[in-house]
Amino acid sequence: EVQLVESGGGLVQPGGSLRLSCGAYGFTFTSQWMNWVRQAPGKGLEWVANINEDETEKYYVDSVKGRFTISRDNAKNSLYLQMNSLKVDDTAVYYCARGFGPDHWGPGTLVTVSS
Amino acid sequence: EIVLTQSPGTLSLSPGERATVSCRASQSVTSNSLAWHQQRPGQAPRLLIYDTSTRATGIPDRFSGSGSGTDFTLIISRLEPEDFAVYYCQQYAGSPITFGQGTRLEIK
Repeated sequence: EVQLVESGGGLVQPGGSLRLSCGAYGFTFTSQWMNWVRQAPGKGLEWVANINEDETEKYYVDSVKGRFTISRDNAKNSLYLQMNSLKVDDTAVYYCARGFGPDHWGPGTLVTVSS
Repeated sequence: EIVLTQSPGTLSLSPGERATVSCRASQSVTSNSLAWHQQRPGQAPRLLIYDTSTRATGIPDRFSGSGSGTDFTLIISRLEPEDFAVYYCQQYAGSPITFGQGTRLEIK
């Protein structure tokens, strides 16, 4: 069974940093593009970033370029999102999601940026 | 960037009725690279339809998708109580990947 499990969310002050992790289980992680998608409280879905199988391609939504970095460790079946210079508007549930569909989503981890 | 606009914003229907949700793209979505996701309150999204019209694994056949170019449609033929949720279209034809703003399907 495919499972994605995010961790690393929490409360951080504006300007701070946070690193999210996503563990992937039940499928061949090394053959899949992976995404981060976020959802601000009471709002819709916003794609944040994605990464190809061997990290040679990475794409970001304009609002996070230069601040967020997506990466992966195929040996650990894990996806990461390093978030720097966080803003109040980055407050959201962050989902790890597989593929372009995406066809599987994790339960999400809440990031709150507040002073 | 491809902007997706869904209509209506809210749809009020009764169980057993037919639901139709539209998704219009600001430019052509190539290779029919459009998906539909369902999100129930407090839950993560779930893929319903990909490549415009292919149902994801385990999705009942009352859900169907159609369209091409800039106009796409999700139809739920006979609403069940568990279908009342928010629905999002999403394109993956180009970067950035984008989502529609969502359509809330509520019980009338």
